[in-house]
Amino acid sequence: NAGVMQNPRHLVRRRGQEARLRCSPVKGHSHVYWYRQLPEEGLKFMVYLQKENIIDESGMPKERFSAEFPKEGPSILRIQQVVRGDSAAYFCASSPLQSASGPQASEAFFGQGTRLTVV
Amino acid sequence: AQKITQTQPGMFVQEKEAVTLDCTYDTSDPSYGLFWYKQPSSGEMIFLIYQGSYDQQNATEGRYSLNFQKARKSANLVISASQLGDSAMYFCAMRRDSSYKLIFGSGTRLLVRP
Repeated sequence: NAGVMQNPRHLVRRRGQEARLRCSPVKGHSHVYWYRQLPEEGLKFMVYLQKENIIDESGMPKERFSAEFPKEGPSILRIQQVVRGDSAAYFCASSPLQSASGPQASEAFFGQGTRLTVV
Repeated sequence: AQKITQTQPGMFVQEKEAVTLDCTYDTSDPSYGLFWYKQPSSGEMIFLIYQGSYDQQNATEGRYSLNFQKARKSANLVISASQLGDSAMYFCAMRRDSSYKLIFGSGTRLLVRP
């Protein structure tokens, strides 16, 4: 991939705890996208952020989920009071620009994902 | 609404043979891109190949080629000379050029037999 780093790779949380997922985009990229992959399904868009701004959170559940991309540091996807249904793989992708034609423009390259298991 | 359909949940192929993974899509946008990703058992998403809706020629990347039939709205992935390491989940995805969201299909699990 193009150097998107996600951590942790695996995260286990008990029901009711908080989960924090981190994504460090490729150096110089100011656009971050989060996707969720439920077991045996394809990825689904959650949220699109630019530095210090949420551009589109239409795919993110209204409650318990939040995302940020501060001026300094990684993007964080935060899930409060996790439930078993939150168990999934969460992927982050980054781009230097908003979508333009071609695979290099945006989200063609993903991080390795964080696998969240809620027990 | 945009939609990607992958009708083959699982497929087998003999090592060294070619295999075609099907993908059909639905969009009313004239300008869009089609992507294929590989997801091995380790879980990462590996970008394989891209086809733009206005590209005149089918995309190729090494052993991967995309059989793009615009009128039929299909974008099948062809893997030639299959290798054991090709065993993985394969996802087809689409993005309108006016958007940033990738829309994924449900995937096809490919198993390469020795």
